[in-house]
Amino acid sequence: SQTIHQWPATLVQPVGSPLSLECTVEGTSNPNLYWYRQAAGRGLQLLFYSVGIGQISSEVPQNLSASRPQDRQFILSSKKLLLSDSGFYLCAWSVVSSGNTIYFGEGSWLTVV
Amino acid sequence: GNSVTQMEGPVTLSEEAFLTINCTYTATGYPSLFWYVQYPGEGLQLLLKATKADDKGSNKGFEATYRKETTSFHLEKGSVQVSDSAVYFCALSDNVGNEKLTFGTGTRLTIIP
Repeated sequence: SQTIHQWPATLVQPVGSPLSLECTVEGTSNPNLYWYRQAAGRGLQLLFYSVGIGQISSEVPQNLSASRPQDRQFILSSKKLLLSDSGFYLCAWSVVSSGNTIYFGEGSWLTVV
Repeated sequence: GNSVTQMEGPVTLSEEAFLTINCTYTATGYPSLFWYVQYPGEGLQLLLKATKADDKGSNKGFEATYRKETTSFHLEKGSVQVSDSAVYFCALSDNVGNEKLTFGTGTRLTIIP
């Protein structure tokens, strides 16, 4: 069966420091991969999605970036964090056979101080 | 563009009460509709889904019917339990191949014994 893992689970970082959140999917090939953010008291916002290695689409302009160096690996990065980057970040995947269903990882709590 | 509007929270109910969380959507074409649930401190889990008009999704005693005429996908449960306390998200996917989800803002549900 397919599984998704993301880490770290929690992170406290100072303003201006870099960020790297990593996500891997197991048990499937050629998944679509997604990064969502859930800010405090707000809904989920799609940040990036990827349909293949090296193919990244950005949904919202910001100081975050994403990369997909391998088929089942998706990385969210920032060179310099802002206070407004605090939130709950969720990696997710889907495949054609999942019938338009997206499955989420456990999430990563980021607090920028 | 696509949008999802769901009932403002928080909602507090007594155990065994009847639950309805309203969700309406705006989309072009024929979207798939979803309810996701987020338990405290966890990522999102798919609760149920419906892919075409008049379909009923159901899981764990929860139900929702895809109503194209009213563009709605209300979540219902006949008798809630304390373990149902969570945040519930309504979402749609516009079925154009990349399976991106548009989420509502979420409804926090608390069940008291």
